[in-house]
Amino acid sequence: AQKVTQAQTEISVVEKEDVTLDCVYETRDTTYYLFWYKQPPSGELVFLIRRNSFDEQNEISGRYSWNFQKSTSSFNFTITASQVVDSAVYFCALSRGSTLGRLYFGRGTQLTVWP
Amino acid sequence: GAVVSQHPSRVICKSGTSVKIECRSLDFQATTMFWYRQFPKQSLMLMATSNEGSKATYEQGVEKDKFLINHASLTLSTLTVTSAHPEDSSFYICSARGPSGRITDTQYFGPGTRLTVL
Repeated sequence: AQKVTQAQTEISVVEKEDVTLDCVYETRDTTYYLFWYKQPPSGELVFLIRRNSFDEQNEISGRYSWNFQKSTSSFNFTITASQVVDSAVYFCALSRGSTLGRLYFGRGTQLTVWP
Repeated sequence: GAVVSQHPSRVICKSGTSVKIECRSLDFQATTMFWYRQFPKQSLMLMATSNEGSKATYEQGVEKDKFLINHASLTLSTLTVTSAHPEDSSFYICSARGPSGRITDTQYFGPGTRLTVL
């Protein structure tokens, strides 16, 4: 069975702090995709990143970075120098196989960045 | 690119009425569309998967006669909540996936529709 665990329900930080959102996944598939989405208060899900199971290179995009480690089945997301606009719910998700089918979502982490 | 729209964004209806929600991929052709439901402060739960021109595949526990899904074209899927009841009140989100091998071969989400049944 597929499972995505985001153990942190809520995180609060002060602006300019770095924050890491954890994501641990379970799957028996050797081929899969991992995702991060951002859901601001407006409700719309914003795609942040997609990573396939064969690409363990870490990725950096501006203040965002992702650390994919198959050995620990983790795909953690770090925001550097957080800003108030980063406040949102962040979802980690998994898609099985080599085709992008249904997404299995974690429960989400509510990030609040205080000014 | 890869924009998905939903209409309406918010709807309030009386118990027993039917509500139709539209999901459109604006700048790409969506071979597959997904419908999710999200309760307050909870995660997204997949309701059904629809492929253009074929019947939708519903997840276990989702009533196909209550949640009618039609994917008539490569850019439009509709979800109709029939005989809505207060327990159907929720946030409904669609996502669209483009053809394999292209930049749109991932799931892009619509802005969601908040349904309130009185």
